[in-house]
Amino acid sequence: ETGVTQSPTHLIKTRGQQVTLRCSSQSGHNTVSWYQQALGQGPQFIFQYYREEENGRGNFPPRFSGLQFPNYSSELNVNALELDDSALYLCASSLESLNEQFFGPGTRLTVL
Amino acid sequence: AQKVTQAQTEISVVEKEDVTLDCVYETRDTTYYLFWYKQPPSGELVFLIRRNSFDEQNEISGRYSWNFQKSTSSFNFTITASQVVDSAVYFCALRRALTFGSGTRLQVQP
Repeated sequence: ETGVTQSPTHLIKTRGQQVTLRCSSQSGHNTVSWYQQALGQGPQFIFQYYREEENGRGNFPPRFSGLQFPNYSSELNVNALELDDSALYLCASSLESLNEQFFGPGTRLTVL
Repeated sequence: AQKVTQAQTEISVVEKEDVTLDCVYETRDTTYYLFWYKQPPSGELVFLIRRNSFDEQNEISGRYSWNFQKSTSSFNFTITASQVVDSAVYFCALRRALTFGSGTRLQVQP
């Protein structure tokens, strides 16, 4: 059974640029959630996708958008990057939306 | 609105000591789930336990135990006979939308 994978591992961008982060869910899982974890803080919920539809969103602006594909993998897109977007972005998958989530290793984004 | 409070920012113990990590939560939901996750220095969050709001039975798993008290909205986590490998940041989280506390960094000294 393959766990949750994320790519890339690290990324450096400059302010104003756009970025796409990718996540492959654990085999059999139909729900993917994205979190932003700033240094020294707990993860903050960005949004969740369940069977290709957005199924809840945290307090993040519209420039944070996502997508879930038929194979349940997912993308997180961030437009017009700001310095405060520098963080570890975590993807988690679960079987159905309320079950325990299993996290990937994260993508560390640095915005200069 | 949901909120999770982990008042202990950092705890340092000596190996083999017992340690309890506190978690207090707020929610208006009548049905919810509580979780504990461990985040070692590698950064990946590791699932430890899920507890349903209607199941107040305490749980023990090896050296780990959890005390869920709905009356005080607390879900505390105890590590018995701590080991150096337990050093990590521990997060308590609340669902329906997964709301995390700010974490407790546990340092276990040899």
